[in-house]
Amino acid sequence: AQTVTQSQPEMSVQEAETVTLSCTYDTSESDYYLFWYKQPPSRQMILVIRQEAYKQQNATENRFSVNFQKAAKSFSLKISDSQLGDAAMYFCAYRSARNAGNMLTFGGGTRLMVKP
Amino acid sequence: GAGVSQTPSNKVTEKGKYVELRCDPISGHTALYWYRQSLGQGPEFLIYFQGTGAADDSGLPNDRFFAVRPEGSVSTLKIQRTERGDSAVYLCASSLRAGFSSYEQYFGPGTRLTVT
Repeated sequence: AQTVTQSQPEMSVQEAETVTLSCTYDTSESDYYLFWYKQPPSRQMILVIRQEAYKQQNATENRFSVNFQKAAKSFSLKISDSQLGDAAMYFCAYRSARNAGNMLTFGGGTRLMVKP
Repeated sequence: GAGVSQTPSNKVTEKGKYVELRCDPISGHTALYWYRQSLGQGPEFLIYFQGTGAADDSGLPNDRFFAVRPEGSVSTLKIQRTERGDSAVYLCASSLRAGFSSYEQYFGPGTRLTVT
């Protein structure tokens, strides 16, 4: 079974600064997807960024980028130019590319606080 | 179009009672997932449907939990003889289809269940 670990329960960043959230995972599979989701107080999970394991290039979406280290099974999220609206819970998630169900396995989350 | 909707938004029930939680997926999405998110944790997979059938219910914690999707659209998660440990946010997600695909899962706002 796959596991996802987020070792930082809380992180804090000054507005306009850069912050990196950590995530490690354990799997015996070679083909999979990794995701970062944002969950604001409204509870709705919002996809921030995704990475296909077969791609060596790190994914980027505007101010959000990842550092994907497949051999180390590490998948960190970098948020540049942090904004007050970035404050939320962030979850790292894994999904097998070979499981018919495509269900997600989530980490325990990191609460990000943004200071004005 | 409309996103995934879930009703009720909040549900308070007494220990031992029966509850039903409803999920209305995005129109045309054939795959539907239920996850449970306990306080301070990441979501955990419960069950998923491809069409009308429960394709994988391996995440259901015990036989008090049951889910249906009779017409391949709306799904209902049913919990019998509720226990205080069932208190959590129940999240529903839908995607275009399951299978060996990379289709994104879109989440609803969840139902917060409190068992007193």
